[in-house]
Parts: sequence; C-alpha cells; structure tokens
Amino acid sequence: GDSVTQMEGPVTLSEEAFLTINCTYTATGYPSLFWYVQYPGEGLQLLLKATKADDKGSNKGFEATYRKETTSFHLEKGSVQVSDSAVYFCALLQGGTALIFGKGTTLSVSS
Amino acid sequence: GAVVSQHPSRVICKSGTSVKIECRSLDFQATTMFWYRQFPKQSLMLMATSNEGSKATYEQGVEKDKFLINHASLTLSTLTVTSAHPEDSSFYICSATPGTSKAGELFFGEGSRLTVL
Repeated sequence: GDSVTQMEGPVTLSEEAFLTINCTYTATGYPSLFWYVQYPGEGLQLLLKATKADDKGSNKGFEATYRKETTSFHLEKGSVQVSDSAVYFCALLQGGTALIFGKGTTLSVSS
Repeated sequence: GAVVSQHPSRVICKSGTSVKIECRSLDFQATTMFWYRQFPKQSLMLMATSNEGSKATYEQGVEKDKFLINHASLTLSTLTVTSAHPEDSSFYICSATPGTSKAGELFFGEGSRLTVL
C-alpha cells in the first residue's frame, strides 16, 4: 500500500543553519504531497503542499519539490530559527480525503 | 485559518472505564471528520472516517466496539473509548474538512492524550 518514509530524528541545528528533512513515498499513482508541522502544544498545521510532479511548495521560508523520478519530497530551509523547532510530518494523499503520514521528524534549533 | 478544537486535551482514567473525546469545527461545517491515533515516535494512524449522519468507516484492525465514533452534527464528532485498558493509552487527534475544501485541506485539532491506569 501507499506509504511515507521520513528521516529519523531528532534533528538538532544551530540558528541560521541549513535544514533538510528527507521524505520519500511509495504510491501506485500520482499522489498529492504535503508537509505538516506540529509546534509544541499545538495541533498539526499545513506547512506546504504540491499536487503534481515538479511542483514546488513553499511557505515561511520552507520549500519542497515534488520529484516523481526519485519519489521524494524533501523539506528544506536555508536558515532556520529557534521558532522553527517543531515536529514535521510528510504526508501523501491519493484518492479519498485521508492523509497517510510519515513518522514525523523532530527539529530542535538552538540559539 | 479554520479552527478545529478537541476536548479534553488530557484525560486520565481507570482501567475499565469509558472516555469520550470531542472534536468540534468552530468556524466551518465539517461533512467529514477523521480520527487518528499517534503512538510515541510513530506516525499518525488513521482509525476511522466519520461522515455526518452516517456510520463511521473504520480502518482495518480498529475495533468498532471499542472505539465508538458519533458524528451527529456538522460541527461535532465524538470518539468514545469504551472499557479502556492501559494499551489504549495514546494521543488521539481529530481532523476535519469542509465540504468544499481542496484536496488534502485538513484542519487538525490539538490532540487528546489519554492515559489509562
């Protein structure tokens, strides 16, 4: 079945460092791909999405490009801030309306 | 953005008792709501999909009689964990989608942490 694999965390970075969180997926068709973020004590929020191959989703300085050839949707940010500390979930949607999530990657940014 | 609220955020109960968790969409009508369960260091696992006015659709392996879901109105869905046991301790998250939303546009509650003693 469809699945999402994220890099294991936690990821610990200093402020202004470059961030990459890897995400690969397995799906039979052409899913839409998402990154959700969960800040401490809050619910999940949509960070960005891409609905077709080569699309780039971006928001709050984060970017991810839908790579069909490598079945990947890696999350990147050029300069992280302490306020970016959160758990990041990669997810896919194919048919239906229920998302399939990866296990989540915890990011901790120190000043 | 749209707001989904869960209550309670934390609940501790004794083994054998039942616990009800509410999920409300505060500023939109949610024709469909989803219930997820999150184990430590694991992904969110979809438990069931509930549509207003009809029976919930449960994912394989989820006990219907243990996890009762009621979606009685367009703004409220409830998850009742019946005869709870310590292995039911987990983080339960609901999400909702407006009927006119774009694909994948889900709004999530803050989650409810259940601890069964």
